Amino acid sequence: EPEVTQTPSHQVTQMGQEVILRCVPISNHLYFYWYRQILGQKVEFLVSFYNNEISEKSEIFDDQFSVERPDGSNFTLKIRSTKLEDSAMYFCASTDRGAFRAFFGQGTRLTVV
Amino acid sequence: GDSVTQMEGPVTLSEEACLTINCTYTATGYPSLFWYVQYPGEGLQLLLKATKADDKGSNKGFEATYRKETTSFHLEKGSVQVSDSAVYFCALNSGGYQKVTFGTGTKLQVIP
Repeated sequence: EPEVTQTPSHQVTQMGQEVILRCVPISNHLYFYWYRQILGQKVEFLVSFYNNEISEKSEIFDDQFSVERPDGSNFTLKIRSTKLEDSAMYFCASTDRGAFRAFFGQGTRLTVV
Repeated sequence: GDSVTQMEGPVTLSEEACLTINCTYTATGYPSLFWYVQYPGEGLQLLLKATKADDKGSNKGFEATYRKETTSFHLEKGSVQVSDSAVYFCALNSGGYQKVTFGTGTKLQVIP
């Protein structure tokens, strides 16, 4: 089965630092997403991205967050100035043209200290 | 907006016991329904899905039937194994390229 790949698997950063989480969606997919899961809690939608622009974002996705597809293969989530409460597992996902299902990556565990 | 409600956990069962995890949903239109599983320390894996009313999704001995009249998608397995210990998430997608809305997750622990 095709896979969404996320790097790194675990990142530790100091509060106030910028982090970039990276994802390589499945190659022929057109829609890309980021989700967040705070430890022990539900998976929450952050943002969806299509045709090089954000198509939907949640209240969580404030000005500290941004997404980019810099080179046609990677899809990144940037957090400008991390806070302790940004500590979570971040999942990238992508869907194909038929959109029968979303494929999720293995996640990046972000720890802000 | 869309929402998913699933039974609180944790659920503790003995090996070979029957499992049911209840899930109900609220959505506009005709959503697709999913069960995702998250094993300890791992990411989200799609367990099964159903895209229209009365469809039954099945995988690895797990089943769930899309019940439009009761807006439910309960997960069932006849005989659980220790290796089924994980967190199970019910989820829906309202169609096309919409986001996936997840329930809160139900932790299942199976003891030998």
